[in-house]
Amino acid sequence: DVKVTQSSRYLVKRTGEKVFLECVQDMDHENMFWYRQDPGLGLRLIYFSYDVKMKEKGDIPEGYSVSREKKERFSLILESASTNQTSMYLCASSPTSGGEAETQYFGPGTRLLVL
Amino acid sequence: AQKITQTQPGMFVQEKEAVTLDCTYDTSDQSYGLFWYKQPSSGEMIFLIYQGSYDEQNATEGRYSLNFQKARKSANLVISASQLGDSAMYFCAFSRGRRALTFGSGTRLQVQP
Repeated sequence: DVKVTQSSRYLVKRTGEKVFLECVQDMDHENMFWYRQDPGLGLRLIYFSYDVKMKEKGDIPEGYSVSREKKERFSLILESASTNQTSMYLCASSPTSGGEAETQYFGPGTRLLVL
Repeated sequence: AQKITQTQPGMFVQEKEAVTLDCTYDTSDQSYGLFWYKQPSSGEMIFLIYQGSYDEQNATEGRYSLNFQKARKSANLVISASQLGDSAMYFCAFSRGRRALTFGSGTRLQVQP
């Protein structure tokens, strides 16, 4: 079974803090993704990576950065946390094989509260 | 840009009955994929079913089936014989270039005993 893990289930931070969210997958997937989920808005793509050291902006990259130094690990960084970044953050990974094989598998999510 | 629409914020269904969750999409692409995910209260997104745009048959996975109408750009999820454990949020998603997904806003399904 594919396993995607995220470093924290719940996180509380102060405005202005630098926040690191870590995601690790154990299936040697090429692609990794960070989404945020807010009520009524579904999931929105922040950043994704299709290879080590490669990254591409998603729909809402402002205020975030990412790092992928190893294939299995994809980090989301909030450079200076703000209250409007309070949200649920979901990490996902997928192989690059086409069609159904590119199904994304998700981690359990991190609920971040910025005070 | 692709757009996914789920028009039902919430649905109720009696246990053991079938329910249809609606999903429409807007794209000019010829090749694409459609996914349905389930999100229970625990928060994890669980993959349910996939339909490719060139698949002639509707996808089925156990009690889940996807009613794919390409000309109408709809990809509705049908859950047969609902169970209490089916109560969750359900998201439709569209696969676009560079292997990223666009999600709808979701439908909250509640199964009543």
